[in-house]
Amino acid sequence: AQSVTQLGSHVSVSEGALVLLRCNYSSSVPPYLFWYVQYPNQGLQLLLKYTTGATLVKGINGFEAEFKKSETSFHLTKPSAHMSDAAEYFCAVTLYTDKLIFGTGTRLQVFP
Amino acid sequence: GAGVSQSPRYKVAKRGQDVALRCDPISGHVSLFWYQQALGQGPEFLTYFQNEAQLDKSGLPSDRFFAERPEGSVSTLKIQRTQQEDSAVYLCASSNRHPRVETQYFGPGTRLLVL
Repeated sequence: AQSVTQLGSHVSVSEGALVLLRCNYSSSVPPYLFWYVQYPNQGLQLLLKYTTGATLVKGINGFEAEFKKSETSFHLTKPSAHMSDAAEYFCAVTLYTDKLIFGTGTRLQVFP
Repeated sequence: GAGVSQSPRYKVAKRGQDVALRCDPISGHVSLFWYQQALGQGPEFLTYFQNEAQLDKSGLPSDRFFAERPEGSVSTLKIQRTQQEDSAVYLCASSNRHPRVETQYFGPGTRLLVL
């Protein structure tokens, strides 16, 4: 069965610092992988997704993620954090079914 | 264009009451999903429609939960005899054609509180 593990329920960084949010997946075959962001009282917004092809995926708002099959990881990074990046971030996976399997989320705090 | 909309945004129900949550997907999107997000957790899949056909309802937690999409557009999630453990945010998402490769667009959710 597919599953997603997000290490660290809370991550705090200073404005301008590197953002690194970790995601590991469990799947017998390469899945499709997603990162979503959720702002308070709002729905989920897609940041980026990996389906096939290039393993380094660039998304919106300066975020990117790299699919590493050998490590079963899909970590999200951003070189320089902004205050507006403070939100909840969810990693998700889908395989042969259409439903998304989400991790438990990582809350990102950005300090001035 | 307009995104996915959900109503009501907030619902308070007394235990045992029936509730109905509405989802208006993006126009033309054939696939529609319902997810349940408990406090402090990630969303969990409930059910999936392709047009009016309910292709997967494996995530519905009990027979008190029922979803429909009779004309292949608007969907309603109904919860009968609500219990306190039903308190959560209910998210609706829609996508076009093949959902595995297409982005699922999420609505703002309905926050249900059962007292």
